[in-house]
Amino acid sequence: GAVVSQHPSRVICKSGTSVKIECRSLDFQATTMFWYRQFPKQSLMLMATSNEGSKATYEQGVEKDKFLINHASLTLSTLTVTSAHPEDSSFYICSARWTDTQYFGPGTRLTVL
Amino acid sequence: DQQVKQNSPSLSVQEGRISILNCDYTNSMFDYFLWYKKYPAEGPTFLISISSIKDKNEDGRFTVFLNKSAKHLSLHIVPSQPGDSAVYFCAAGGAGSYQLTFGKGTKLSVIP
Repeated sequence: GAVVSQHPSRVICKSGTSVKIECRSLDFQATTMFWYRQFPKQSLMLMATSNEGSKATYEQGVEKDKFLINHASLTLSTLTVTSAHPEDSSFYICSARWTDTQYFGPGTRLTVL
Repeated sequence: DQQVKQNSPSLSVQEGRISILNCDYTNSMFDYFLWYKKYPAEGPTFLISISSIKDKNEDGRFTVFLNKSAKHLSLHIVPSQPGDSAVYFCAAGGAGSYQLTFGKGTKLSVIP
């Protein structure tokens, strides 16, 4: 139980385009999902908390207009990186909360050329 | 200010021996703690957790110990296996939030 999927697993895009990443809880409902970013050899950096049916809460320093989050159902949250630039290249990971534990997706490697 | 600290960036252990990974925290409002295992280019995998009302939780080869007075927890893996080689993250939650605060991770290498 408590499986979280992410799609796509890796994406390469041109600078200036937008990329959407999906996060799904497969066998449970998650009112709260989280989006993280991991830089090489660094810890997970929380970007935002996604709440079903309401606006996401962004961490300090994260541009909400650049990283659009939508949590339209209890099993799906999406992160859209708008007008992506090479500095947005990173490993993006989502998690879904079930009881007191966060269960993570497998991550999405974004490369912006 | 780093609220969850894993002071050892790496640890090497012989196969079959015990691996001990340490974690310290500063926020006394944290009331549950988790350990995650992470392979490169993958999401973290939940291993084991412990509530602040306990001082020990065991699951197979994994045991987590919590010392609230010292604000310290540790993960024991015994016996260690080569497949345990990964980065281990300590995380803390509570303090009125659903968010987790992560340490920077410890890279465990189990030598065959």
